[in-house]
Order: sequence, then structure tokens, then C-alpha cells
Amino acid sequence: AQSVSQHNHHVILSEAASLELGCNYSYGGTVNLFWYVQYPGQHLQLLLKYFSGDPLVKGIKGFEAEFIKSKFSFNLRKPSVQWSDTAEYFCAVNRGATSGTYKYIFGTGTRLKVLA
Amino acid sequence: EPEVTQTPSHQVTQMGQEVILRCVPISNHLYFYWYRQILGQKVEFLVSFYNNEISEKSEIFDDQFSVERPDGSNFTLKIRSTKLEDSAMYFCASYKGGADTQYFGPGTRLTVL
Repeated sequence: AQSVSQHNHHVILSEAASLELGCNYSYGGTVNLFWYVQYPGQHLQLLLKYFSGDPLVKGIKGFEAEFIKSKFSFNLRKPSVQWSDTAEYFCAVNRGATSGTYKYIFGTGTRLKVLA
Repeated sequence: EPEVTQTPSHQVTQMGQEVILRCVPISNHLYFYWYRQILGQKVEFLVSFYNNEISEKSEIFDDQFSVERPDGSNFTLKIRSTKLEDSAMYFCASYKGGADTQYFGPGTRLTVL
């Protein structure tokens, strides 16, 4: 069965520290990859997405992610976090047109707490 | 910017009761979804809906669940006889198609007592 793994469940960082959140998926075919963020009390918001092309994608709020096909990974990075980045981060994968439904498979999420 | 809306934000019900969770997807979107997130667990796919019918459902989506798009704007999830384990946050999402992403609503927190 397809799965998405996020290895860091809770991360605590000080402001200005660098962030890397891991995401690995198990599906071997063509995939589309996403990172969503959920701020406390708010809905899931898209940070960035990868469909094809340059494997290094830049998103909103200074986030970027790199797709490494050989490692089945799509890790999220930010060079310098801010207190306002405190949130839960979800990696998601879909199989695009192959699935017919474009449903997402989510990772377990990573709770990030940034200390001021 | 258009957004997906969901009502109610929080629903409390007794075990065995029927609940209907409502969603208004983005108006020109073609694909509609329900996901749920049990507290402390990951977001799980329940069902997808396209062209006025279910296109895929997960193992969770058993006979107690149903979805409807009754009037071309609302998209509802009905749970016929709620169980304690149905307590979760339920997210609606819609998707236009192509190289776009799903847009999520704010969720309905369902508490079954």
C-alpha cells in the first residue's frame, strides 16, 4: 500500500535556526508532491507543490523543498525560522492522473514549535 | 481568493445519531473530497466525488457514510449512525483539475459522546 512517512513528529527550534523536515513516500510511479501547513485553529494551506521540472521548488513564506526521486523523498527546508512558523506541517502525495481521483495520501504531520 | 467553507465548525452528537457535515466547495472545481483526522493521527482520505458520483472510497467509508451534492453548490457527508470512533476533524476539499492543488476547508470537529 502507498504510504507517506514523516519521521519528525515534534520539532522545537529557536528563532533563526534552520529547518529541515523529512518526507518519504513509498509509491514507485509518477507522483505529485505537496507540503501543507496548518496554523493553530486554521485550515490546511498549501506551502508548495511539485509536479515536474526543477526538483527544487520554492514556496510561500521562504520555504523550499527538494524532490529526490532516487530516495523517494521530498524534504521541506527553511534557512531561518520565525516564531510565526509554529504550526503543523503535512507532506502529501498523489498519483496524479494515474489514480483517476487525485486523492491525497498524507504523512502523519510534524508539529513545529519555534521559540522566540 | 475563493475558499472552501464548512459548517458547522464543531458538532457534538450522541452515539447512534445521524449527522450531516456540510461543505461549499470552490465554484468552478470539479473534484470533491472528504478527509478525516482523528486526534493525534494523520489525515486520512475518505471519499472522492466527481461528475455527480463517488469515484473512490476508502475502507473507512462503509455503509454508514454517504455523500451528496444536492444542489450543485453544497457537498455533504452524512454519517447515519455515529460511533465513538467517528470522533475526528473532518475536512472537505475541492480541486479544479490539472496542475492545481486541492483546497481545504477549515474542518468540522465531530465529537461523538
